[in-house]
Amino acid sequence: DQQVKQNSPSLSVQEGRISILNCDYTNSMFDYFLWYKKYPAEGPTFLISISSIKDKYEDGRFTVFLNKSAKHLSLHIVPSQPGDSAVYFCAAANSGGSNYKLTFGKGTLLTVNP
Amino acid sequence: KAGVTQTPRYLIKTRGQQVTLSCSPISGHRSVSWYQQTPGQGLQFLFEYFSETQRNKGNFPGRFSGRQFSNSRSEMNVSTLELGDSALYLCASSRQGSNIQYFGAGTRLSVL
Repeated sequence: DQQVKQNSPSLSVQEGRISILNCDYTNSMFDYFLWYKKYPAEGPTFLISISSIKDKYEDGRFTVFLNKSAKHLSLHIVPSQPGDSAVYFCAAANSGGSNYKLTFGKGTLLTVNP
Repeated sequence: KAGVTQTPRYLIKTRGQQVTLSCSPISGHRSVSWYQQTPGQGLQFLFEYFSETQRNKGNFPGRFSGRQFSNSRSEMNVSTLELGDSALYLCASSRQGSNIQYFGAGTRLSVL
């Protein structure tokens, strides 16, 4: 049972344009969401996160949107740069529970073309 | 501040052997989690330790075990290795009360 889904295995965009990565979740207990970026041969790097009390959080070129009713979140990167090319993982947590774990999607490979 | 350090970076073992992987968390982080990453399954949660106690365990067989020491360093062990155990094993640490986990570069295990 995949509780966090990233339905697009890959995405290709032109440099300077917007990249939109999507993520859906099924567990209503999730209340904290994170995005990680991963380059080959490296571990995932924390990018941005959002609590369920918000519906938008912005940090520089990165903005995360959360739609709780649809159980959907998205990561917007504007403008996209070639160095953004990586695998992006969406993750979710139940901060009030005792799970102490992150549940990850399978990732989306973003390619930004010069 | 040093990041999460995992050793070794690469390992090659044969079926039936056992392996021990090591993880040193970020200084001050007392929670350490382990994940398995495979091409088809993404990152799968193995277990989490805090103050030398396992607080949560993922859906993996008992061949996978771990422990945490008083200095928060952690080890995971896989016994009786199988071909399907070939994967990237990632360790992550976090501050108490935080959901943000910081990952090491991982240990790439190949089972032949």
